[in-house]
Amino acid sequence: DLQMTQSPSSLSASVGDRVTITCRASQSISSYLNWYQQKRGKAPNLLIYAASSLQSGVPSRFSGRGSGTDFTLTISSLQPEDFATYYCQQSYSTLRTFGQGTKVEIK
Amino acid sequence: QVQLQDSGPGLVKPSETLSLTCTVSGGSISGYYWSWIRQPPGKGLEWIGYIYYSGSTNYNPSLKSRLTISVDTSKNQFSLKLSSVTAADTAMYYCARTNTMIGYFDYWGQGTLVTVSS
Repeated sequence: DLQMTQSPSSLSASVGDRVTITCRASQSISSYLNWYQQKRGKAPNLLIYAASSLQSGVPSRFSGRGSGTDFTLTISSLQPEDFATYYCQQSYSTLRTFGQGTKVEIK
Repeated sequence: QVQLQDSGPGLVKPSETLSLTCTVSGGSISGYYWSWIRQPPGKGLEWIGYIYYSGSTNYNPSLKSRLTISVDTSKNQFSLKLSSVTAADTAMYYCARTNTMIGYFDYWGQGTLVTVSS
């Protein structure tokens, strides 16, 4: 199976901070990498698709980069509503897999 | 605006079959893949499988022997059946629309918590 590994598993940050989350694939997945935000008790929400394309309606402070095996999600200036868990997901393999998640908490 | 509404029993007995239905409104089920994804309490997301509107399927191998996903285009619905459930199948189950080209999940249902317990 194609494994997705996120780092860190959790982080503490303050409002206004720049935050970067990393996702690494166990083999090359080209740009078939998507990012989601999940708030407590809610369904995940698509933020970024195809590694760097911003989903409609998502604030521009979210950005994604990478290709091959290494990818990043960056929040340029953390807002109160951004405290949540973030997941990467690969859609290269017919067996879709997610990273284990990164919880962003208030410092 | 596309909306997905999943529905089904919240409690299933061990060894029985879990059945959920997802109803799509605000758009046609045609032209897309439709997925089921689950999340055990306090844990991460697991993709279960998807179905194309035409009926072709792709299942997670870890669940394939127990899994059936079907579609009813006349009702704009797709369904999940997972047989021989155990406590390990206790999870929030989500349905989601799956982009045909890139494979991301862009619309999600609100989720149904299914508990497996006698």
